[in-house]
Formats: sequence, C-alpha cells, structure tokens
Amino acid sequence: EVQLLESGGGLVQPGGSLRLSCAASGFTFSSYAMSWVRQAPGKGLEWVSAISVSGGSTYYADSVKGRFTFSRDNSKNTLYLQMNSLRVEDTAVYYCAKDRTYCGGDCFSPDFDYWGQGTLVTVSS
Amino acid sequence: DIQMTQSPSSLSASVGDRVTITCRASQNINYYLNWYQQKPGKAPKLLIYAASSLQSGVPSRFSGGGSGTDFTLTISSLQPEDFATYYCQRSYHTPPWTFGQGTKVEIK
Repeated sequence: EVQLLESGGGLVQPGGSLRLSCAASGFTFSSYAMSWVRQAPGKGLEWVSAISVSGGSTYYADSVKGRFTFSRDNSKNTLYLQMNSLRVEDTAVYYCAKDRTYCGGDCFSPDFDYWGQGTLVTVSS
Repeated sequence: DIQMTQSPSSLSASVGDRVTITCRASQNINYYLNWYQQKPGKAPKLLIYAASSLQSGVPSRFSGGGSGTDFTLTISSLQPEDFATYYCQRSYHTPPWTFGQGTKVEIK
C-alpha cells in the first residue's frame, strides 16, 4: 500500500524557517517524480514545487522561488521541503504528492495519484 | 503562465442528477488536464487524467471530456458520496501545473 506521511509543520514567525519531510513507502520511491501542493485555509489548491527522480531537476512556483528548496533522499525514501523567509501568505496545509507514472530521467508526469494527509504550516507573529 | 478557470464556482444538485463542471485553459493544453475530488479535511483524490482517462478504482459515473482549451467533468448520476469540491489541473509539459479555483458541489 502506497503511503506518504508528511511531518514538520507548525507555528513559525514571519521571516522564520521550517523544514517539512515526507516519508514514502509501498512503492519504488526512486522511480517517481514528486511534488508539493499546498492549500491555504478555506482556499484552493496551489502547486508549489516538483523534483525529478534523481533530484537533479527541481521546479518552483513563482510565489516560493528563491525561498523554498525541494530535495529528496532516495536511500531514505524521503522528501524534504526547506522553507526560508516564511511569509504570512505561506500559511497552508502542505501535501506531498506522487506522479502517477514513471517517465524516466528528468521528465514529469504530474497526475498526482497518491497524496499524503498534509501538514499544517502557520506563519504568524 | 496558463490560467485555469472553472465554472460554476458552486452548484446545488440532488442525488441522481447529472452534473457537469467546466474548466477552461487560457492557452491550448491539448489533453493535459486532470480532475480531482476533495472532501473536507481530506487530501485530493485523482479522478480523471489526460482529460478523459478514468483513474483506477474511480466509479464509471465520472467521465471527462474535451481537448485544447475547453474541458468537462460529468457525473452521470450524483451519489451522496459525490458531494465535494472538484478541481481541474493542467499537466502540460512544464510547470507551473496550475489548478482551477474549484467547484463545490452541494446538496440541494
């Protein structure tokens, strides 16, 4: 059974940092690109970042570019989202999500077939 | 960036009704369009990928159509468990893989 388990959320002051983790199991983790998607309270879904199978390619939404860093450790089946210079508008539930198919190399198949339960990040003074 | 616009933003319907939700892309995205269902407090669930392909395990009352810029999600006979918010998402080549703003399906 595929499982994605996020952790690391919490309350942080504006300008602060937080590192989210996503532990994966039940599938060949190193064969799938992965993404983070967030949802502000009462709002819609926003794609945040994606990482290729090797970790060699990463993409970011303009809203987080230069502040967030997405990485993966295929030996530990774990994703990391380092979030720096946090803003009030970064407050959201953060989900990690798995690409539906393997497409090799640095390509992506952003049909997200499995999602974690989410971890809440609250940025407030 | 390509914008995704859903309509309506919300709708009220009864069990057994046929429901159609529309998603429009600001540029041609071929068939690179997904649909998700989200219930309160839960993660989204993939329903349809590549505009019209039904994800494994999803009931056949859900169907998707369209290509280019205009897409639809249809629920042929609304069931009690289908009351939720639905999102479209472009999956065309390079990011950002933008979501629509969502359509909330409520009980009439």
